[in-house]
Amino acid sequence: GAVVSQHPSWVICKSGTSVKIECRSLDFQATTMFWYRQFPKQSLMLMATSNEGSKATYEQGVEKDKFLINHASLTLSTLTVTSAHPEDSSFYICSACRDEQYFGPGTRLTVT
Amino acid sequence: GNSVTQMEGPVTLSEEAFLTINCTYTATGYPSLFWYVQYPGEGLQLLLKATKADDKGSNKGFEATYRKETTSFHLEKGSVQVSDSAVYFCALLYNQGGKLIFGQGTELSVKP
Repeated sequence: GAVVSQHPSWVICKSGTSVKIECRSLDFQATTMFWYRQFPKQSLMLMATSNEGSKATYEQGVEKDKFLINHASLTLSTLTVTSAHPEDSSFYICSACRDEQYFGPGTRLTVT
Repeated sequence: GNSVTQMEGPVTLSEEAFLTINCTYTATGYPSLFWYVQYPGEGLQLLLKATKADDKGSNKGFEATYRKETTSFHLEKGSVQVSDSAVYFCALLYNQGGKLIFGQGTELSVKP
């Protein structure tokens, strides 16, 4: 049990477009999910905490208008990168909380 | 503030060699400590954890002991395999919203 999926696993988009990434807890309900960003050969940087039914809490320095997070149900959180630019290219990982954090497999975003 | 420091990689070992990856932390209170493993192109998997001082976490031949006196949680394995090649992250969990703080990661490469 405790499986978290992400969709898509990778995406390429053009500069200026928006991209939505989904994070789902497949076999449990999660009131809290987290979104991380990981640059090549670097650690995970927490972007925001997503709570079901309320606004996300963003970490310092993360633009909330650029990275829109919606936690519409107990099994789904979405991250939308708005007006993406090449510097937004990264590996985005979500996690869902039950007794501990369970991580999704990540989404590779490339903005051209 | 709370932080985690890991030894820098990459670490290259021959198969069946002994592995140690150092991890030290700075935290107020009594955090829980974790080791996560990330295989290429994938998300994170929990390897082991310890929730209080002197606890030893173990899994798949890996071990780590929560040492409060030295604020350390070093990862060890007696005999590594090629399949252990991955990036290993040390992390601590503190109670403010259940956020994980990660070290910078240590890349391990095991050669046959």
